Amino acid sequence: DTGVSQNPRHKITKRGQNVTFRCDPISEHNRLYWYRQTLGQGPEFLTYFQNEAQLEKSRLLSDRFSAERPKGSFSTLEIQRTEQGDSAMYLCAIPGTGGYFGYTFGSGTRLTVV
Amino acid sequence: QKEVEQNSGPLSVPEGAIASLNCTYSDRGSQSFFWYRQYSGKSPELIMFIYSNGDKEDGRFTAQLNKASQYVSLLIRDSQPSDSATYLCAVRDSGGSNYKLTFGKGTLLTVNP
Repeated sequence: DTGVSQNPRHKITKRGQNVTFRCDPISEHNRLYWYRQTLGQGPEFLTYFQNEAQLEKSRLLSDRFSAERPKGSFSTLEIQRTEQGDSAMYLCAIPGTGGYFGYTFGSGTRLTVV
Repeated sequence: QKEVEQNSGPLSVPEGAIASLNCTYSDRGSQSFFWYRQYSGKSPELIMFIYSNGDKEDGRFTAQLNKASQYVSLLIRDSQPSDSATYLCAVRDSGGSNYKLTFGKGTLLTVNP
């Protein structure tokens, strides 16, 4: 149990379909982050929420991507018209505990676009 | 563009040896540095963080920071096969209040029994 639940764990979709991922922190956190990780690379920042406000978006987040955090608790990431290049692990993260600013990651959602 | 570079792997060491992992960063104003361990198919797990120049020890792990050289390293003493994983260096962006982390590509470590 990492403190962050992500669903689904795996998703296989056909190119052109829409997909939605969900991130549920177990406890309340005002900040929440989405990252993407492709094979052989480190996690890359996608977007960041402070409560329900989406405060920063990476240029990686094309107009096919949208993220929400409607009540400042769980968050969703939607990809429309998926492309093979969207195949990756999508990671949700919340601030760590103990007074430092590292992240605790969820288990991730692995997306495969065929 | 803020960058984090890690020594290219893969790195292979025998069981019981010291594994040394290195990282350099471009954001001179960065103040917080992290090492994550990632097993194959799993999400990253935080194992060390360091703020001050010098060494920080936690069990078999030692993180070293040199802000003047913009260099961070992780030493793993008495390496075990269970340490075999990808190690990611992460740097917190300076400025602003987003506490965003920038990650390196990672170094794959294999500890051979």
